[in-house]
Amino acid sequence: DIPVTQSPSSLSASVGDRVTITCRTSQSISTFLNWYQQKPGKAPKLLIYSASTLHSGVPSRFSGSGSGTDFSLTITSLQPEDFATYYCQQSYSSLPIFGGGTKVEIK
Amino acid sequence: QITLKESGPTLVKPTQTLTLTCTFSGFSLSTNGVGVGWIRQPPGKALEWLGIIYWDDDRHYSPSLKSRLTITKDTSKNQVVLTMTNMDPVDTATYFCAHRLEDIVAHWGQGILVTVSS
Repeated sequence: DIPVTQSPSSLSASVGDRVTITCRTSQSISTFLNWYQQKPGKAPKLLIYSASTLHSGVPSRFSGSGSGTDFSLTITSLQPEDFATYYCQQSYSSLPIFGGGTKVEIK
Repeated sequence: QITLKESGPTLVKPTQTLTLTCTFSGFSLSTNGVGVGWIRQPPGKALEWLGIIYWDDDRHYSPSLKSRLTITKDTSKNQVVLTMTNMDPVDTATYFCAHRLEDIVAHWGQGILVTVSS
């Protein structure tokens, strides 16, 4: 197994802010890293796959970068509908593994 | 259009066995590269992969739960079944099934909240 360490666990931000969330793995997973957004009571929604490819229908203010062991999700100009919990997930292993999540709250 | 839906009991007693069914449409679990997995989320906590079954019947389980889990598929019925033995209150969670194709998990069921209580 290749665990994933996600940080921060929570952050407070204002509408219009730029937000960055990071994930790190203990060994290289190439670009097998996905990002999800989850709102209360709902299933997660895929935002980015293969570290940097935007999933269909996802706004361009979301972007992902990284390869190997260090990855990041950036939201430029945070919108009201972006307040949610974000998870990274490594899909290198036959059984994927999630990071611990980052809750983005309104400042 | 790919859809998945979880079904099963919403309340189980401690020590009982939980059986959940994921019924899906829009894809075949006999297609090369496709998998269906189970993920759970205790209230207020993070997502956790439990296990996954692939088109070739290859299965992978969370190491911490492996002794309690079994995942099977019925390709003709478009169903995947999760069995978890010896349920405990700490297993109270929303259980999701999801479709995996290569490294992409884009389609999820709505989830089912399972409470473990006597």
